[in-house]
Amino acid sequence: DTQMTQSPSSVSASVGDRVTITCRASQTLGTWLAWYQQKPGKAPKLLIYAASRLQSGVSSRFSGTGSGTDFTLTISSLQPEDFATYFCQQANTFPRTFGPGTKVDLK
Amino acid sequence: QVQLQESGPGLVEPSGTLSLTCAVSGGSISSNHWWTWVRQSPGQGLEWIGEIFHSGDSEHNPSLKSRLTMSIDESKNQFSLTLTSVIAADTAVYYCARQASLGPFMDVWGQGTTVIVSS
Repeated sequence: DTQMTQSPSSVSASVGDRVTITCRASQTLGTWLAWYQQKPGKAPKLLIYAASRLQSGVSSRFSGTGSGTDFTLTISSLQPEDFATYFCQQANTFPRTFGPGTKVDLK
Repeated sequence: QVQLQESGPGLVEPSGTLSLTCAVSGGSISSNHWWTWVRQSPGQGLEWIGEIFHSGDSEHNPSLKSRLTMSIDESKNQFSLTLTSVIAADTAVYYCARQASLGPFMDVWGQGTTVIVSS
């Protein structure tokens, strides 16, 4: 299986901060990577697919970069509605696997 | 827009069988999408269970493959999951999701249904 790691596991930030989350895969993915946002009690929401493509309807303050094994999700200016947990997911091999998540909370 | 709704029993006895259905509305299950199951154990991360196409082609997580069956019913516009010989570790929120036409990324999700394995 392709193992996914994320760092940090949690980050405390303030509204307006720039937040960067890193995802690393145990084998190369090309750009077969997605980022999801999940709020408590809710289903995940697709933010970024194919490593850098913004899902329709998602704010442009979210951006994704990377290819191969190293990827980043950046929130350019954190908004109150962005406090949530973020997961990466590889879509290159079966079984699909997710990172353990990064919780973004209020400093 | 497409909406997904999971249904099934909230409580299953150990060694029993877990059966869930995902009803698709606002779109056809026979469209060019794969349909996916994902679960999340309490306080844990996300685990991909498997995915199925309307042709019946499917992929399963090897960790569950011997216990897992997925099916699709085009006449009812729904797909289903059956997991046999359940154990406490199968306790989770189960989500169904649609894969985007652009690739194996899940762009539409159900709200999730909680399944507890307990006697």
